[in-house]
Amino acid sequence: RKEVEQDPGPFNVPEGATVAFNCTYSNSASQSFFWYRQDCRKEPKLLMSVYSSGNEDGRFTAQLNRASQYISLLIRDSKLSDSATYLCVVRNAGNNRKLIWGLGTSLAVNP
Amino acid sequence: EAQVTQNPRYLITVTGKKLTVTCSQNMNHEYMSWYRQDPGLGLRQIYYSMNVEVTDKGDVPEGYKVSRKEKRNFPLILESPSPNQTSLYFCASSPGLAGRTDTQYFGPGTRLTVL
Repeated sequence: RKEVEQDPGPFNVPEGATVAFNCTYSNSASQSFFWYRQDCRKEPKLLMSVYSSGNEDGRFTAQLNRASQYISLLIRDSKLSDSATYLCVVRNAGNNRKLIWGLGTSLAVNP
Repeated sequence: EAQVTQNPRYLITVTGKKLTVTCSQNMNHEYMSWYRQDPGLGLRQIYYSMNVEVTDKGDVPEGYKVSRKEKRNFPLILESPSPNQTSLYFCASSPGLAGRTDTQYFGPGTRLTVL
């Protein structure tokens, strides 16, 4: 089983739709969780950190479920500019700050 | 402007010809790392450095070397490149243990082709 698993998609949604991605992780000792966004052939950029209490940033909501070992990302009112690959990232316990990267979920928002 | 820079951005070379990809950050970050990204394999860490003169292997270090003589620079060296090192390479930095965030700041990437 991969340490971090994501549905690769692609998710094709119309503008204005709500779309949700899940990401599961295998190490119950994982400490920190993130969503990064990567546009085609560009560098990944942090979209948001995922806190135990869940967090929201505009149209984006991230949640963590430690019991079931998954994190989620919800995008409301999708825009064309949301088209990208969304990477789930998990940091395991320990001091080397090693991050485990998912392979990403591809989203295409269509007009 | 806070940033991570990489050079070159694109490179086509031949097997066995030593090359260096430079990486520099201007954010005074302690932690720096190199990744390669390949279709179907995602981002894989090659080497990382937690501070000056401290480097360690990541998940795929074979065929690569790094050095961290200064805080801002973290070059990636391929002593004898081979075609299986054809990939998209990213350098990244983060504040490190002293920082409050795990945010990784990535360079723009270097697309390397080894013929």
